[in-house]
Amino acid sequence: EAGVTQFPSHSVIEKGQTVTLRCDPISGHDNLYWYRRVMGKEIKFLLHFVKESKQDESGMPNNRFLAERTGGTYSTLKVQPAELEDSGVYFCASSQDMLVEQYFGPGTRLTVT
Amino acid sequence: GNSVTQMEGPVTLSEEAFLTINCTYTATGYPSLFWYVQYPGEGLQLLLKATKADDKGSNKGFEATYRKETTSFHLEKGSVQVSDSAVYFCALSDQTGANNLFFGTGTRLTVIP
Repeated sequence: EAGVTQFPSHSVIEKGQTVTLRCDPISGHDNLYWYRRVMGKEIKFLLHFVKESKQDESGMPNNRFLAERTGGTYSTLKVQPAELEDSGVYFCASSQDMLVEQYFGPGTRLTVT
Repeated sequence: GNSVTQMEGPVTLSEEAFLTINCTYTATGYPSLFWYVQYPGEGLQLLLKATKADDKGSNKGFEATYRKETTSFHLEKGSVQVSDSAVYFCALSDQTGANNLFFGTGTRLTVIP
């Protein structure tokens, strides 16, 4: 069974540009989470999808971040326009149900210069 | 609110040394507690968990006991190996429905032969 995959593994963009991160959850997992780790700090929750619906987006930092999960399969996280403080590692996780283990992807390292 | 305070790293140990990584938490209600590990180039993996007070989670020689009275979940291993070199994250889930994880800052462990 394939695990959670994320693309790209690393992205370097200039301030003001747009970047789209993609997450493919484990097949059949309705719950999909996005988290972010800014350099040296804790991993912070961004948002949670149940199928295609946003269950909780309380962790999204501001309206430059847009997450979608059309069709309830893969998800994208778009940052537009990117700022320097958006640099970090973006993790995606999925789970079959809530209150059970979340399986994490390898992360996308975003560097904004 | 929910938060996790984790021992600052990095930690460098010789092979077969005893490992302790301290973790304390603040939570509303009765959280579940987790240790995640990230090996170089890989995603976060669940190492162990405990869902209620006095539970002991264990896996791969690592152990952690859920201590409600001290709000702690310290990670221990009696004899570390080079292959244990990784970043370790303590986390909690407040179990109030969304199952969002709250993480500590991570502790990098390096084990030298």
